[in-house]
Amino acid sequence: GAVVSQHPSWVICKSGTSVKIECRSLDFQATTMFWYRQFPKQSLMLMATSNEGSKATYEQGVEKDKFLINHASLTLSTLTVTSAHPEDSSFYICSATDSTYEQYFGPGTRLTVT
Amino acid sequence: TQLLEQSPQFLSIQEGENLTVYCNSSSVFSSLQWYRQEPGEGPVLLVTVVTGGEVKKLKRLTFQFGDARKDSSLHITAAQPGDTGLYLCAGGNLGGSYIPTFGRGTSLIVHP
Repeated sequence: GAVVSQHPSWVICKSGTSVKIECRSLDFQATTMFWYRQFPKQSLMLMATSNEGSKATYEQGVEKDKFLINHASLTLSTLTVTSAHPEDSSFYICSATDSTYEQYFGPGTRLTVT
Repeated sequence: TQLLEQSPQFLSIQEGENLTVYCNSSSVFSSLQWYRQEPGEGPVLLVTVVTGGEVKKLKRLTFQFGDARKDSSLHITAAQPGDTGLYLCAGGNLGGSYIPTFGRGTSLIVHP
């Protein structure tokens, strides 16, 4: 149990375009979903916390207009990187929790902006 | 802001050796999790500890939560190449939204 999927697993896009990443909890209802960004061999950097039906809470320094988060249901959250630039290239990971203290992570999405 | 100091940051050892990874904070946590992450994949939960002084074992991995719930350790006995990965600790507090704080990770390489 406690499986989280992410789609796509990797994406290459041109500078200036937008990319949407989906995060789904497959076998449980996720009251909260988290979006992280990770650079090579570094820890996870929390970008935002998302609760179903409400606006996401963004961490300091994360542009909410650039990284749009939607949590429309208890099993789906999306992260849209708008007007992507090469510096947005990174590994994006989502996680979900069912109100306990354990997070279950998706497999990540590798974004490359050319 | 709660901080988790994780050490060492990098560890390169030979197969069969033992190792310990530490996670320390000046803050008290309700619970602490350990994750293992392989390159290009998401972290996988290894264990959750919630009680001060608690010890949990997962095959060759032993996890301990400090008595004061401010620190934790992960000990691996007779490391194998399959243990290679990034080990992350994360702590948080219940009550309201549980937003865990992550340590910066320990990158472990076990050479055959």
